[in-house]
Amino acid sequence: NAGVTQTPKFQVLKTGQSMTLQCAQDMNHNSMYWYRQDPGMGLRLIYYSASEGTTDKGEVPNGYNVSRLNKREFSLRLESAAPSQTSVYFCASSAPGSEQYFGPGTRLTVT
Amino acid sequence: DAKTTQPNSMESNEEEPVHLPCNHSTISGTDYIHWYRQLPSQGPEYVIHGLTSNVNNRMASLAIAEDRKSSTLILHRATLRDAAVYYCILRALNTGGFKTIFGAGTRLFVKA
Repeated sequence: NAGVTQTPKFQVLKTGQSMTLQCAQDMNHNSMYWYRQDPGMGLRLIYYSASEGTTDKGEVPNGYNVSRLNKREFSLRLESAAPSQTSVYFCASSAPGSEQYFGPGTRLTVT
Repeated sequence: DAKTTQPNSMESNEEEPVHLPCNHSTISGTDYIHWYRQLPSQGPEYVIHGLTSNVNNRMASLAIAEDRKSSTLILHRATLRDAAVYYCILRALNTGGFKTIFGAGTRLFVKA
């Protein structure tokens, strides 16, 4: 099992550009999450998907959109990137009420 | 969602036990206490969780106070590989446990 995979691993964008971060899990988990982690800080929840077909806002959803493409995949889109979105982005998945499994992260720099 | 308070950093010697404290005075009856750790340049990984009783697994032990307002993660013999940031979080399972709040965690330094 690969667990949770994220692509790309690194990305540099110019202000105003758009991009989509991809996440996939092979553990048959119902729930998936997107977090961001700024330097020296803890993780902040951007969006989550409790189950296939549903998505909900977390703590910091502004500037982001998500799509739960199917049970395996949950993507995060930045429509118009801003320097404040420079961060490391982590995707995670879990069974209901169980521990979360995290991907390796995507390091995004917006110049 | 209830929040937790942890010391910013702690230091331990290799092969000695480590007790990492966490305060969660506003915990509700349906909140599970979870611990995760994050090694440098990696995503967080699950360590242990519990509700009321003390818990043990191959990685660590979790001691939960009788009033559940605090807990302690115990690493029985710290190794250099245990140097990481440790997060204590609460998951409200009556609402699905989705909106998990990660604080800044405790950075554990392990000295050889």
